[in-house]
Amino acid sequence: DQQVKQNSPSLSVQEGRISILNCDYTNSMFDYFLWYKKYPAEGPTFLISISSIKDKNEDGRFTVFLNKSAKHLSLHIVPSQPGDSAVYFCAASVDAGGTSYGKLTFGQGTILTVHP
Amino acid sequence: KAGVTQTPRYLIKTRGQQVTLSCSPISGHRSVSWYQQTPGQGLQFLFEYFSETQRNKGNFPGRFSGRQFSNSRSEMNVSTLELGDSALYLCASSLRGNYGYTFGSGTRLTVV
Repeated sequence: DQQVKQNSPSLSVQEGRISILNCDYTNSMFDYFLWYKKYPAEGPTFLISISSIKDKNEDGRFTVFLNKSAKHLSLHIVPSQPGDSAVYFCAASVDAGGTSYGKLTFGQGTILTVHP
Repeated sequence: KAGVTQTPRYLIKTRGQQVTLSCSPISGHRSVSWYQQTPGQGLQFLFEYFSETQRNKGNFPGRFSGRQFSNSRSEMNVSTLELGDSALYLCASSLRGNYGYTFGSGTRLTVV
């Protein structure tokens, strides 16, 4: 049962344009969401997160939007740069008194390619 | 400060053998989680340890086990290896098991 889904295996954009990566979830207990970026032969690197009490969070070129009613979140990268080319994972967690007890449920990932 | 260190980086084992992987968390981090990444299943949670106690466990068979030492270093063990255990095993550490997880580069295990 795939509780977190990234339906686009890949995305290709031009440098300077906006990249939009999407993620859907089915478990209504999830209340904290994260995006990670991963290069080959490296571990995932944390990018940005959002709590279910918010619908938007920004950090520089990265913005995450959360639509709880649709159980959908998206990551916007503006402007996209060639160095952003990597695999992007969304992850979700259930907050249990301020801790997730280590458990993040990941989507399958989307390969982003930014062309110069 | 030093990141999360996983050793070894690569490992080749024979079916039926057992293997132990090591993870040294960021200094001061007390929570260590383990994940398995495969092309078919993606990143899947194995278990989490905090202050030497397993607090959470994923849906993996009992052949997968782990432990954490008093210095927060963690090991995971897989017994009676199967071909399907071939994967990238990732360790992540956090201060107290909240959301600031930092991942290591992983151990690539190949079972032949």
